[in-house]
Amino acid sequence: IQLTQSPSSLSASVGDRVTITCRASQGISSYLAWYQQKPGNAPKLLIYAASTLQGGVPSRFSGSGSGTDFTLTISSLQPEDFAAYYCQQLNSYPITFGQGTRLEIK
Amino acid sequence: QVQLVESGGGVVQPGRSLRLSCAASGFSFSSYAMQWVRQAPGKGLEWVAVISYDGGDGYADSVRGRFTISRDNSKNTLYLQMNSLRVEDTAVYFCARYEYGDNGRYFHHWGQGTLVTVSS
Repeated sequence: IQLTQSPSSLSASVGDRVTITCRASQGISSYLAWYQQKPGNAPKLLIYAASTLQGGVPSRFSGSGSGTDFTLTISSLQPEDFAAYYCQQLNSYPITFGQGTRLEIK
Repeated sequence: QVQLVESGGGVVQPGRSLRLSCAASGFSFSSYAMQWVRQAPGKGLEWVAVISYDGGDGYADSVRGRFTISRDNSKNTLYLQMNSLRVEDTAVYFCARYEYGDNGRYFHHWGQGTLVTVSS
């Protein structure tokens, strides 16, 4: 199952609302997770089951979607949110990741 | 607290072998499926292999037949035996604990990664 993330990069300012989309090549129910990764670090789980916020993750992060179309929204960007974001499908093997979205400071 | 610590990375020539380890602590290791994920320099995440709590395994096409995932539940350790290494296997390798249940499926806990460089 291929995951296509868009955009591949994004420039935004603190306080902006941003949305990242992830499209699956076939239906994956809600078996989709979102991760944040900062340089030199392991990925950090943000959202699983498409819309469930992982404990400890700020509520400005939200996820939605099911089937083939999913979104990650950050309601008001904070300085610590500038990072790379990846979607991941866990509906079937091989598990696949989107190609990533690099979120940069404008 | 859950901790995963990878080791065994390094520089190796093409065609040679390397074994990575992932030492787990802070949870009942034998009860969880475990995964390996890699990330080539400057690139995205790529799933590599999975092993279930009872030893069933699966692999990405890119490594099947060359890599073997295994576990020693008595030592709380996950392994990745990498044979016939290629330049394109150069990456940071992460181990991760697989959460699989009614609430969903995801990788919550990750190690810090170990760098494998395949170069002549």
